[in-house]
Amino acid sequence: GAGVSQSPSNKVTEKGKDVELRCDPISGHTALYWYRQSLGQGLEFLIYFQGNSAPDKSGLPSDRFSAERTGGSVSTLTIQRTQQEDSAVYLCASSRDYSNQPQHFGDGTRLSIL
Amino acid sequence: DAKTTQPNSMESNEEEPVHLPCNHSTISGTDYIHWYRQLPSQGPEYVIHGLTSNVNNRMASLAIAEDRKSSTLILHRATLRDAAVYYCILYMDSNYQLIWGAGTKLIIKP
Repeated sequence: GAGVSQSPSNKVTEKGKDVELRCDPISGHTALYWYRQSLGQGLEFLIYFQGNSAPDKSGLPSDRFSAERTGGSVSTLTIQRTQQEDSAVYLCASSRDYSNQPQHFGDGTRLSIL
Repeated sequence: DAKTTQPNSMESNEEEPVHLPCNHSTISGTDYIHWYRQLPSQGPEYVIHGLTSNVNNRMASLAIAEDRKSSTLILHRATLRDAAVYYCILYMDSNYQLIWGAGTKLIIKP
């Protein structure tokens, strides 16, 4: 079956531009997670969704970061006025629900800010 | 802050068992222990998880110490395809988060 799909796979943009990263979770999965991974590091939690709501936004690094999820399915992570320190791989995962379930990951979007 | 401690890297020979250790001395009673692995340029892949009892699945076994302050992921017969970074993670039931550390890079020698 189809796994978690992320687009674009790579994004290069200039400092100060806005970017949108998209995540298509596994069909029927109600929980969706966004992470960020810098080179050689573990994953940094950003935000998670239960259905369309995001109970915990504490992991977002700044107010330039926002995320939404519509229809309980597709999610978009938006970074406004990008900075060079935003360069990283952004990973999306989904799970059957928000309890102790295995998370299924996409292959990420590699974001490079020039 | 990461709440697990793993060796930075380990080497093993192909077709031999591999024991990957993890310390989590500050684990709370309701935290689950999860293991994921990540191949280069891919997203992490779920391996196994447990709470108190040892667990087995088709990929690996998880041995959890009686005091739950440490655990060991066991790959029974390593192949070259098992070369990856292995993450030992605590799932915090209180806020539904996985807390990731830096992981162990497993190198498999043919």
